[in-house]
Amino acid sequence: AQSVTQLDSQVPVFEEAPVELRCNYSSSVSVYLFWYVQYPNQGLQLLLKYLSGSTLVKGINGFEAEFNKSQTSFHLRKPSVHISDTAEYFCAVTPYSSASKIIFGSGTRLSIRP
Amino acid sequence: GAVVSQHPSWVICKSGTSVKIECRSLDFQATTMFWYRQFPKQSLMLMATSNEGSKATYEQGVEKDKFLINHASLTLSTLTVTSAHPEDSSFYICSAGGRTDTQYFGPGTRLTVL
Repeated sequence: AQSVTQLDSQVPVFEEAPVELRCNYSSSVSVYLFWYVQYPNQGLQLLLKYLSGSTLVKGINGFEAEFNKSQTSFHLRKPSVHISDTAEYFCAVTPYSSASKIIFGSGTRLSIRP
Repeated sequence: GAVVSQHPSWVICKSGTSVKIECRSLDFQATTMFWYRQFPKQSLMLMATSNEGSKATYEQGVEKDKFLINHASLTLSTLTVTSAHPEDSSFYICSAGGRTDTQYFGPGTRLTVL
């Protein structure tokens, strides 16, 4: 079985400041890792994903994440946030198989202050 | 990129009536589609997995007779909430998986039962 833990339910930051959203996972099998963003009253949009290869993954909107196998972490970072980054961010994993079900973390609400 | 649509985006219905929500993969064939439910300020909870041409697989605790899922083609899955009650009010999101590891999410349907 797999589980995903997002330790921070809310992260407030000032505009143009850096941010890190933490994600840890647990799995007995190899998994793919994802970060999704959900803007108010909208569905989920894929930010980035780690499948294999380089542990540093770059996504859309200036976000990046680093896979750390030893710490079973996949933290999301952005060097300088904007007001438009205000949203809910979900870390997720899926086992190595085609179109398997996704296990989501509880989400982190990122609020940007001007 | 792959696009998944949902219809309607918002529906209000009276208690005791049934509501059908459509999920379509617009530019790819989805062998598997997933239905999620999201309560306010919470993560997505998988309700069921549907494979084209076969019966859906429901997660534990999800009533099969209340949430009817049909996946009649490789581009369309429907979720019917039968005899809806106010506690069924929620945000319903579908996702579609093709031949890769990535799932693509629809924009969601907000159901309000009066």
